[in-house]
Amino acid sequence: GQQLNQSPQSMFIQEGEDVSMNCTSSSIFNTWLWYKQDPGEGPVLLIALYKAGELTSNGRLTAQFGITRKDSFLNISASIPSDVGIYFCAGLNYGGSQGNLIFGKGTKLSVKP
Amino acid sequence: NAGVTQTPKFQVLKTGQSMTLQCAQDMNHEYMSWYRQDPGMGLRLIHYSVGAGITDQGEVPNGYNVSRSTTEDFPLRLLSAAPSQTSVYFCASSYSKGALEQFFGPGTRLTVL
Repeated sequence: GQQLNQSPQSMFIQEGEDVSMNCTSSSIFNTWLWYKQDPGEGPVLLIALYKAGELTSNGRLTAQFGITRKDSFLNISASIPSDVGIYFCAGLNYGGSQGNLIFGKGTKLSVKP
Repeated sequence: NAGVTQTPKFQVLKTGQSMTLQCAQDMNHEYMSWYRQDPGMGLRLIHYSVGAGITDQGEVPNGYNVSRSTTEDFPLRLLSAAPSQTSVYFCASSYSKGALEQFFGPGTRLTVL
């Protein structure tokens, strides 16, 4: 089946630093999504990307849908302690038996005050 | 609106025991799904349902059963628990299959001894 490779697996950064993480796939997706999971909670949608090349921001978060449709990137600027959590990318294709999200393995972010 | 609720929050089972993880949503969503989350593995789809009376298998269905008798409820049954089923289980719902925003419950942490 389709698999997503997400990197890095974990990051330890200082408050105020910028963060970058990415996700790659062996196959094409119509939509890329980025979720954040706070400790002890379920994932929550941060950003959705619909078109190859698209760049979308949500506050300090910026995500891009790769031109090849096989990758996506998430950047967090000026990190703060509440950014701690696990960030998941997810790919989605529509139609037929598809329509289920495929998740990456997550990037665990730790922020030192 | 309670969103997606899951019970219990924690459960310890012995090998061979059976149990049902409960999931309910009050958003009138047609699509509901169960994921398991294991360290370093991300979220993997177990079973999903596109409406009452309709269920289908996800990526890792073995050892689990589901049913969907109402729009609101989507229980997950473990018929004979095994240590390999030790995991955190998340239920999610969305307006339809392929809808971008899935709403996740708080999770059930299951340990099988």
